[in-house]
Amino acid sequence: NAGVMQNPRHLVRRRGQEARLRCSPMKGHSHVYWYRQLPEEGLKFMVYLQKENIIDESGMPKERFSAEFPKEGPSILRIQQVVRGDSAAYFCASSPRLAGGGNEQFFGPGTRLTVL
Amino acid sequence: QKEVEQDPGPLSVPEGAIVSLNCTYSNSAFQYFMWYRQYSRKGPELLMYTYSSGNKEDGRFTAQVDKSSKYISLFIRDSQPSDSATYLCASPTQGAQKLVFGQGTRLTINP
Repeated sequence: NAGVMQNPRHLVRRRGQEARLRCSPMKGHSHVYWYRQLPEEGLKFMVYLQKENIIDESGMPKERFSAEFPKEGPSILRIQQVVRGDSAAYFCASSPRLAGGGNEQFFGPGTRLTVL
Repeated sequence: QKEVEQDPGPLSVPEGAIVSLNCTYSNSAFQYFMWYRQYSRKGPELLMYTYSSGNKEDGRFTAQVDKSSKYISLFIRDSQPSDSATYLCASPTQGAQKLVFGQGTRLTINP
């Protein structure tokens, strides 16, 4: 059973360009989460999605950032008009359908975005 | 005040030592607690998952939760150089699915 897959692993963009980060959850998982990790900092929640729905985007910057998880295909985190401050590692996590209780999230290897 | 606080270290110990990693949290609603291990330039890997107060053991790892003092600990026995990594504690916010992470403690086990 393959784990969470993310691509690309490394992405270099110039200021003003768009960045698209992709995440395929583990098989059987219908919940996807995006986190950002700045250098020397912990992970910060960005957005939580289920198929075709954004459930919680309280951690997303109000501008330039968007996320989707279509019925078919991977989840995508899109950053428009990137700035140097967007340089970070972006991690995707997934969890199985929950019957209640805790929330074990399994992380992908991350996409390291560098903005020149 | 951060919801989850963790000493970033770095922490360096000799091989074979018992390692104690700690977090405190401020939100009384937190019920579940996780420990993740993150190797350099890799994604976090779920190590331990506990609910409420008490201990949970898995091999050389023991997770401990004390809800009365809002204190979370991870103990590593017979530490190995391969345990060198950053360890992150986390808890999901009640009613939500997002994990709140501590800053992470960078651990080095010296051969």
